[in-house]
Amino acid sequence: AQSVTQLGSHVSVSEGALVLLRCNYSSSVPPYLFWYVQYPNQGLQLLLKYTTGATLVKGINGFEAEFKKSETSFHLTKPSAHMSDAAEYFCAVSVGSGGSNYKLTFGKGTLLTVNP
Amino acid sequence: EAEVAQSPRYKITEKSQAVAFWCDPISGHATLYWYRQILGQGPELLVQFQDESVVDDSQLPKDRFSAERLKGVDSTLKIQPAELGDSAMYLCASSFGPGQGRSNTQYFGPGTRLTVL
Repeated sequence: AQSVTQLGSHVSVSEGALVLLRCNYSSSVPPYLFWYVQYPNQGLQLLLKYTTGATLVKGINGFEAEFKKSETSFHLTKPSAHMSDAAEYFCAVSVGSGGSNYKLTFGKGTLLTVNP
Repeated sequence: EAEVAQSPRYKITEKSQAVAFWCDPISGHATLYWYRQILGQGPELLVQFQDESVVDDSQLPKDRFSAERLKGVDSTLKIQPAELGDSAMYLCASSFGPGQGRSNTQYFGPGTRLTVL
């Protein structure tokens, strides 16, 4: 079975500072990895995903993440934080191929606060 | 841009009452998912449909929860009777399914916030 660990339930940065949200996964087979963002009382919006190929993945709103198999990590970064980035971020893993069901397993989330 | 629709957005009920949530997936998506998200936690899968068939309901509390997707399009999740511990956000998501030859990325609706008093 797969699992996800997000290090740090709350991260606080200043506007313009680097954003780094950490995610480590456990999977017995090559995983698909995702980052979603959730604003208060809303659903989840996909930021970016890794399936195969290039390990550095670029997403929306200036975010990117790098898949590091040796470290079983998929950390999310953004060079310069904006006030609008304040939200909860979820890392998720999915495994599956062919007729399997691509079930998503989520981490517990990291709340990002951006200070002016 | 196509979106997953859910209703109602908010629901307040008393314990022991019945509640129902509705989800309309993105057109063409064969797979539909219901997740429960407790405050401060990540979403957890309750049930997954491939067309009208259930493919995973291992985490669905079947003594009080039921889900259906009769025509393989929209879906209803029901709780009867509701308990205090059911207070949570209920999220619906959809994706292309295995065999559709498309990305399996899941797209989420806005969710239904349930409060049980």
